[in-house]
Amino acid sequence: DGGITQSPKYLFRKEGQNVTLSCEQNLNHDAMYWYRQDPGQGLRLIYYSQIVNDFQKGDIAEGYSVSREKKESFPLTVTSAQKNPTAFYLCASSIFFGELFFGEGSRLTVL
Amino acid sequence: KQEVTQIPAALSVPEGENLVLNCSFTDSAIYNLQWFRQDPGKGLTSLLLIQSSQREQTSGRLNASLDKSSGRSTLYIAASQPGDSATYLCAALNSGGYQKVTFGTGTKLQVIP
Repeated sequence: DGGITQSPKYLFRKEGQNVTLSCEQNLNHDAMYWYRQDPGQGLRLIYYSQIVNDFQKGDIAEGYSVSREKKESFPLTVTSAQKNPTAFYLCASSIFFGELFFGEGSRLTVL
Repeated sequence: KQEVTQIPAALSVPEGENLVLNCSFTDSAIYNLQWFRQDPGKGLTSLLLIQSSQREQTSGRLNASLDKSSGRSTLYIAASQPGDSATYLCAALNSGGYQKVTFGTGTKLQVIP
């Protein structure tokens, strides 16, 4: 079945570590997104990509990095520069100006 | 800047009741509006997408309407069931050089058996 796969589902990070969240889609969508969700807040956009080898910062990109080497993959790295990384991270994809589809999310906890 | 508001933040209804969830947005120049369902600890599941040229969309017991002039969308759930308990989010898509999607903070629905 077509869909978006995020891994790992749960991730723990020690202070000073970088961690990478995986996002893979087989929907043949050009656009991919990373959102952060915190309790009581709406989803906030971290990064988005409309095409391979191109990506743009969203509203809260500081402390995060991404790559888009393949159409199907859009990994997110949470760097040590992100001071409050504990959150639920959601990857999404869509055709241009089309319906948005989400993965199951990855929960990151700082130890 | 688009702002999306969902009121109330939480709602509790008895099973079988018909209910309406509200979504308001400040910038009426939207491309589309999408309703999602989110279960605890899960990702968002798309329920309905309404294009800006449409007034409503239906899927099973769900009906979503869109009134751009008043900046409002509603999600109508008929004959609610305990399985409908979840958080419902709406999201407005604007065109600003890229697909700018603004999410509301959601309405947490509890359907009591």
